[in-house]
Amino acid sequence: GENVEQHPSTLSVQEGDSAVIKCTYSDSASNYFPWYKQELGKRPQLIIDIRSNVGEKKDQRIAVTLNKTAKHFSLHITETQPEDSAVYFCAARSPGTYKYIFGTGTRLKVLA
Amino acid sequence: SAVISQKPSRDICQRGTSLTIQCQVDSQVTMMFWYRQQPGQSLTLIATANQGSEATYESGFVIDKFPISRPNLTFSTLTVSNMSPEDSSIYLCSVEEGGNQPQHFGDGTRLSIL
Repeated sequence: GENVEQHPSTLSVQEGDSAVIKCTYSDSASNYFPWYKQELGKRPQLIIDIRSNVGEKKDQRIAVTLNKTAKHFSLHITETQPEDSAVYFCAARSPGTYKYIFGTGTRLKVLA
Repeated sequence: SAVISQKPSRDICQRGTSLTIQCQVDSQVTMMFWYRQQPGQSLTLIATANQGSEATYESGFVIDKFPISRPNLTFSTLTVSNMSPEDSSIYLCSVEEGGNQPQHFGDGTRLSIL
């Protein structure tokens, strides 16, 4: 079955710097990759997603890139702000299933 | 996206007891799921709640321990049975509205077992 690895587990950046979180997946047939942000004590919230027919997607300060050949995808946050501090989870979904397999999470801390 | 209401938001229970968590959606959704998130950990799928039929459980989760109901397209319950301290976790409901839409999560139920 699908397996998703996520790195790094923790990441500290200075406010205004960029942050990059990387995920790799094992099932080459996976075709949908969402990213969730979870603030302390809150529910995971979808922040961006990408489908396998697209290489990159951007939404203001957030972008996701997908490399199907290497089976990895990355979240890029530019001009980080303290409110970006949270745990970020990547996920992958294989075709023919509604199941998401989640990465282990990255705790991002933006230092003011 | 759909508004998801989950209750209770938190509870403290005695070991050996059972608790039923409810998930209500303000619109009909295709798929409903139950996840467990242990402290400081990622999200693990317990089961897919199927409308009108038995839930589909993931490896390591069984119906006797986590019975699930889904009587219609807007409501589901998860029961955590015969609880032990190892069941202390956040339990999250998520929904997929269909049409290749992403999953959205409820606020979760924070469960502590003494």
